[in-house]
Amino acid sequence: GQQVMQIPQYQHVQEGEDFTTYCNSSTTLSNIQWYKQRPGGHPVFLIQLVKSGEVKKQKRLTFQFGEAKKNSSLHITATQTTDVGTYFCAAAYALNFGKGTSLLVTP
Amino acid sequence: DTGVSQNPRHKITKRGQNVTFRCDPISEHNRLYWYRQTLGQGPEFLTYFQNEAQLEKSRLLSDRFSAERPKGSFSTLEIQRTEQGDSAMYLCASSSLRMTGELFFGEGSRLTVL
Repeated sequence: GQQVMQIPQYQHVQEGEDFTTYCNSSTTLSNIQWYKQRPGGHPVFLIQLVKSGEVKKQKRLTFQFGEAKKNSSLHITATQTTDVGTYFCAAAYALNFGKGTSLLVTP
Repeated sequence: DTGVSQNPRHKITKRGQNVTFRCDPISEHNRLYWYRQTLGQGPEFLTYFQNEAQLEKSRLLSDRFSAERPKGSFSTLEIQRTEQGDSAMYLCASSSLRMTGELFFGEGSRLTVL
């Protein structure tokens, strides 16, 4: 199946610093989705990437899908305390979630 | 509230008992998914429905687990003869075939098996 691995598992940054999480697969992915889960909350859809080399931006968030469609990344510019949470990538139309990267932002 | 609704929100049961969770998806959504999530892990796919048809079921899913969506609207997830390892958050999500891939999750049902 289209399994995904995420790194790092945890990231602690100072407010204003940038943050990147990576999602990797040993097989070619048909698509990749990204979700955010706040502490005590449920996953919330952020974006879906389908095309090789695709780059999408949502304000301070930049999402990339690798040329070989085996990896993806989420980059947050100038983190804010509201960015705190766990970011998950999911493959195969959300059937396979990674373990997530937990982001802690201190002011 | 037009979001995904799950009941009960919390369930404490003794080992060996049966439990049932209900999910009411967003009304126009054709697809309904069940996941299990434990602390520090991502959601683990259990099964999904398109309308009333159960299209896929995780091979990791024990035969103690069964899900139904009899009229293509709400769904139930039943766990028979619960074990302590079943303690987890059970998440339901729904999506529309017209929208590309986006899943809307409910708040979840937390199960604690004593």
